[in-house]
Amino acid sequence: GDSVTQMEGPVTLSEEAFLTINCTYTATGYPSLFWYVQYPGEGLQLLLKATKADDKGSNKGFEATYRKETTSFHLEKGSVQVSDSAVYFCALSDSSARQLTFGSGTQLTVLP
Amino acid sequence: GAVVSQHPSRVICKSGTSVKIECRSLDFQATTMFWYRQFPKQSLMLMATSNEGSKATYEQGVEKDKFLINHASLTLSTLTVTSAHPEDSSFYICSARQGDGGNTIYFGEGSWLTVV
Repeated sequence: GDSVTQMEGPVTLSEEAFLTINCTYTATGYPSLFWYVQYPGEGLQLLLKATKADDKGSNKGFEATYRKETTSFHLEKGSVQVSDSAVYFCALSDSSARQLTFGSGTQLTVLP
Repeated sequence: GAVVSQHPSRVICKSGTSVKIECRSLDFQATTMFWYRQFPKQSLMLMATSNEGSKATYEQGVEKDKFLINHASLTLSTLTVTSAHPEDSSFYICSARQGDGGNTIYFGEGSWLTVV
């Protein structure tokens, strides 16, 4: 079945540091890929998505590129802020978009 | 973007009582809604998938008689935790998929349930 493997956390960075959170997936067909962010005590918010190979999703300075050859969708940000501290979930939706398969989540803490 | 709203955001109930959580898609029709449970510092566990007008499909290990799901309209799904016990205390999150064939799933804000 489909699966998503995320870089284990927690990740602690200083403000303005470069962020990479690795995500790889296993799926049949052509899934859509997502990054969701969860702030403390809240639900999940869609951060960005990509629906086909070589697509780049971007939002709020975050980027991720759908790499079919490496089955990856790594999340990057050039300069993190304290307000980026949250849990980040990589997810995929199968071609029928029936449901999401989540990674385990990566806790990011950004220190001032 | 699309908005999904959950209510209540926090609820405390006594052991043995039932509690209902609502999930509404505010600006789109959701043919499919999903209910998740999240334990502290863990990922989301899919409990069930509900399609408007039909019975919910429960994941293995989830008691359908305990977690009643109703998806009576294209904008509302409800989760009722029946005869709640302290071990049911958790963060429950719903999500909804747009009914126009879109493949993006939007999440509600989550509901904290505490059973005392």
